[in-house]
This record gives sequence, structure tokens and C-alpha cells, in this order.
Amino acid sequence: TQLLEQSPQFLSIQEGENLTVYCNSSSVFSSLQWYRQEPGEGPVLLVTVVTGGEVKKLKRLTFQFGDARKDSSLHITAAQPGDTGLYLCAGGFTGNNNDMRFGAGTRLTVKP
Amino acid sequence: DAGITQSPRHKVTETGTPVTLRCHQTENHRYMYWYRQDPGHGLRLIHYSYGVKDTDKGEVSDGYSVSRSKTEDFLLTLESATSSQTSVYFCATSPRQGIASSGNTIYFGEGSWLTVV
Repeated sequence: TQLLEQSPQFLSIQEGENLTVYCNSSSVFSSLQWYRQEPGEGPVLLVTVVTGGEVKKLKRLTFQFGDARKDSSLHITAAQPGDTGLYLCAGGFTGNNNDMRFGAGTRLTVKP
Repeated sequence: DAGITQSPRHKVTETGTPVTLRCHQTENHRYMYWYRQDPGHGLRLIHYSYGVKDTDKGEVSDGYSVSRSKTEDFLLTLESATSSQTSVYFCATSPRQGIASSGNTIYFGEGSWLTVV
């Protein structure tokens, strides 16, 4: 059982559509990060959120950390083929800086 | 991007043989990590290092050992490879501990694909 559950596991949409992917846990995290990973490459950090209820925007991507710091969402507006990739969330635990757990990811395909 | 080089990038080995994966970084980051990535499991921490000759176990350390003799190099060794160790292995580095400190970025290498037959 994954400590962080990401949903959906797979998502295929047309260019221009909006989408939201989720990262949920029963554990409280001190902070949470979102990464994007393209085929044959390592994950690349998109954002870090640390405060419950925090919202961060990165161009067409909006990230939200849940009030209770147990969940997070990533919303993409007007998706483009360049957004295609595996989106991973990772949660850090208070008091143990090196215990960071990853979700299994959402594999997003944006068709032109 | 942090300069992280993993070698080999692809390897096929036989069950029971020792395998060493190498990670070299040019950013002088104190912290280095080895992860494995498997379908349905995401990335799982094998071992990490918080300085030269300072290492500790991660979530899935059984069957693996590591060494860090220089700041820039972190080696992962499978003493006797098994089929369950077939995976993609990622090295990562960061200037500070974990992600609990806001603003800390963890940089990943491009991965090493290991197949144990």
C-alpha cells in the first residue's frame, strides 16, 4: 500500500482541456513536492508547498496543499502536448528530513 | 540542472553476480541519494549519504550497500543481484536535507536501467 495515493493513475486528454490530479494520504506531511518526469529522464521539481491551504501557481499549473497537510492537487489549465509526462508527488515528514515518500504517479498524455 | 552523471546507463547481469552503479556530481552538494523506481511503487529510497563516509539506510535497503569516499561520488552495490532488483535506479543530490526545508531542491540523474536475468 502506497503511503501517498495518486489519482488517476493514467489520464489521456486533448490539447486545450483542463485537468486535475490528486495526491492523498492519511499521514500529515511537513511539506509536499510535485515533480514531472519525462520518458528516459529523472524527475524534475516543479514546486514545494509547506503551509496548509497554500496555493502556488506556475504558469498554467496550480498547486494546492490541503488545509490538514494530508493531500494536494495539481490543476493544469489548457493542457498542451508539452505537459505530457509522469507527475509525481512526494511528502516529507516532520522531524525526519530524509524520510521523503513518493507516490506512484499520474501518467498524463496530452494529444494534439 | 545539477551535473549528475550515472553509469552505466543500461546493464544486463546474471543472478548472483555483483553490480556497482556509479553516481558522480559536480555541484558539491552535501546530500546524495539512491532511489529505485518500479511500476506501481513510485520512487523508493535505498540509501542516502549526508557527507563523505556518512551514509544511512532508506526504505528498501536490504541487498544493497553504498559507499561515499569523495563528495562527488556515491556508489551503489548489489552484492549478489536478484531478479527482484531489476529496476530503474536514480541517483539524486541536494544542498540541504530532504524537503522539509522549503526551497531545498532535490536534483535527479537520468537513471540506470538494470536487468537481472
